[in-house]
Amino acid sequence: GENVEQHPSTLSVQEGDSAVIKCTYSDSASNYFPWYKQELGKRPQLIIDIRSNVGEKKDQRIAVTLNKTAKHFSLHITETQPEDSAVYFCAASMGSARQLTFGSGTQLTVLP
Amino acid sequence: GAVVSQHPSWVICKSGTSVKIECRSLDFQATTMFWYRQFPKQSLMLMATSNEGSKATYEQGVEKDKFLINHASLTLSTLTVTSAHPEDSSFYICSARDQGNTEAFFGQGTRLTVV
Repeated sequence: GENVEQHPSTLSVQEGDSAVIKCTYSDSASNYFPWYKQELGKRPQLIIDIRSNVGEKKDQRIAVTLNKTAKHFSLHITETQPEDSAVYFCAASMGSARQLTFGSGTQLTVLP
Repeated sequence: GAVVSQHPSWVICKSGTSVKIECRSLDFQATTMFWYRQFPKQSLMLMATSNEGSKATYEQGVEKDKFLINHASLTLSTLTVTSAHPEDSSFYICSARDQGNTEAFFGQGTRLTVV
C-alpha cells in the first residue's frame, strides 16, 4: 500500500518568515495530494490540494509543489503568522473513492 | 463544501461496555465512508472503509469483531467499539467523499475515554 513520509516533525519559525514542509509518497498511482491543518482536538481542515496533472498551486500565502518523478510534494507558507501555528498533515490517495494515507504530521510554531 | 457530522463529540465509558459513534453526511450521499483513529500527537490511521450495503473493509491489525461498522444508508455510517478497554481511548474521525469530488470531508471527531 501507499506510504507517506513527512518532514520535519517540528518546525519553529519567526513571524513573517516562510515555512516549508516536505512529503514523499511511495505509490506512483497516487494522484491526489491534500494538505490539512489540524488544531488540537479538532477535525483536519483542508488548506490546499494538488492533483497529479499539476506541478504547482498557490492560494494567497500557501503554495504546494509536486514532483511526480521524484514522488515528493511540499507545502510552502509565506509571511507566517501566529495563527498558522498548528499541526499540518500531508496525504495521498488514488482517485476519489479511495482512502487517504496521511503523513506523520508537522507541528508548526510561529513565534511572535 | 459538503458537511459531515459526527456524534458524539466526546464520550466517557467504563471498561467492558460498548460505544456507538455516528457519522452522517448531511448534504450529499456517501457510498463510502472512512474511519480513522488518532492517538495523541500522532497521525490519522485508517481503521476501515465503510461501504453502503456491504461489509466494511478493515485495515491490517484492526479487529473487525471489536470495531463493528454498519453503513445501512447513503448518509449514515456507525462505528461501535465493543468491550472497550482503556487502550481504545483515542480520537475517532470519520470522513466521506461526495461522488465526483476528490476532497474528503471530515466529521468533527469523537474523543473516546475508557475508564
